[in-house]
Amino acid sequence: SYELTQPLSVSVALGQTARITCGGNNIGSKNVHWYQQKPGQAPVLVIYRDSNRPSGIPERFSGSNSGNTATLTISRAQAGDEADYYCQVWDSSTPVVFGGGTKLTVL
Amino acid sequence: EVQLVESGGGLVQPGGSLRLSCAASGFTFSSYWMSWVRQAPGKGLEWVANIKQDGSEKYYVDSVKGRFTISRDNAKNSLYLQMNSLRAEDTAVYYCARDPPNYGGNSDTWFQHWGQGTLVTVSS
Repeated sequence: SYELTQPLSVSVALGQTARITCGGNNIGSKNVHWYQQKPGQAPVLVIYRDSNRPSGIPERFSGSNSGNTATLTISRAQAGDEADYYCQVWDSSTPVVFGGGTKLTVL
Repeated sequence: EVQLVESGGGLVQPGGSLRLSCAASGFTFSSYWMSWVRQAPGKGLEWVANIKQDGSEKYYVDSVKGRFTISRDNAKNSLYLQMNSLRAEDTAVYYCARDPPNYGGNSDTWFQHWGQGTLVTVSS
């Protein structure tokens, strides 16, 4: 089965840029989707198909995907961005796969 | 506005059964694939199952095959998850989620719309 690897935690200073990675075998050949989840709330889609933002998601959120790593980038990080972030892909063997999640801390 | 509201969660003993429901509104329910995704306490997200618009195709994660059944009633704009032979490891918040427009099944998908979730606790 296909696996996605995320760092357990990432820290970023207020106003700086956070990068959260999602590793997988040849993940660049797949579409990667990203979700933000705050405590006690349902996940919110922030990026779909590698780099597309749903309506209502700030431009500060962007995504890229190449080789064995996909990256969610959050520019000008705000306190309100503190959350867990999950990457997700579709794979024929599973078929929906989520990464283990990354806790983003804004210092 | 798309709304998904789950219900039916609760405390159940190991080996027991539970049926979750998800009431959909704000969109043409019969036009979309629908999914269930769960999250064990303090853990990550896990996709559970999805179902085609007319119910003719269903897919499941291996860990629930033969125990869980996904179904829908388009006349009632409702999605269901029948859970049998429940185990402690099925304890989780269960979310219903909408697959994207034009999703054809067994291909790339993502979830823009989620319910608030319903907690299922399997314990004696």
